Amino acid sequence: QKEVEQNSGPLSVPEGAIASLNCTYSDRGSQSFFWYRQYSGKSPELIMSIYSNGDKEDGRFTAQLNKASQYVSLLIRDSQPSDSATYLCAVNPWYGQNFVFGPGTRLSVLP
Amino acid sequence: SAVISQKPSRDICQRGTSLTIQCQVDSQVTMMFWYRQQPGQSLTLIATANQGSEATYESGFVIDKFPISRPNLTFSTLTVSNMSPEDSSIYLCSVEDLGTPTRNYGYTFGSGTRLTVV
Repeated sequence: QKEVEQNSGPLSVPEGAIASLNCTYSDRGSQSFFWYRQYSGKSPELIMSIYSNGDKEDGRFTAQLNKASQYVSLLIRDSQPSDSATYLCAVNPWYGQNFVFGPGTRLSVLP
Repeated sequence: SAVISQKPSRDICQRGTSLTIQCQVDSQVTMMFWYRQQPGQSLTLIATANQGSEATYESGFVIDKFPISRPNLTFSTLTVSNMSPEDSSIYLCSVEDLGTPTRNYGYTFGSGTRLTVV
């Protein structure tokens, strides 16, 4: 059973702070990793993908991957109230396999 | 990225009836995916629909309950049959976005169908 785990939250951070979202996965052979943002009542939208160990930066977002420890994280710098949403971690266990989504972490950025 | 038009956006249905959800993609795609998202929960894959072949269903989902059509490379339907209140959920279709040098690879989702069964 391939599993992806996240803290459900809510995670509350003040505006301007760094929000840190974590995700662990069970399938050591997983190849690719994704972070989605889902606003209430909306469908998920892709923020970042990462495939190699280390950091990947895109604007205020940084994805971090550590395959040895089987975790992937998302950092949001200078958090804004508009970042308040549920963040879903998704793992592609093997190429050609379907994504496995985590339960999501609800982030609240307080003005 | 691919643009997906999903209909209806929401519906309230009587138990025992069926609802068909449509997804139209603005480009040809090999695989389309159907997900369910129950209130406060994450995404659960129902089935994968390939054009020209039978859909592949995940454990816990059966064709009689969730028949899927995939008549061409840009369109698919999911029917929720003989509905009960437990089927109340958001249903989402999704396609694989191969990405570009400036856009991440990943899945793109339709806007979702919010189904309430009474």
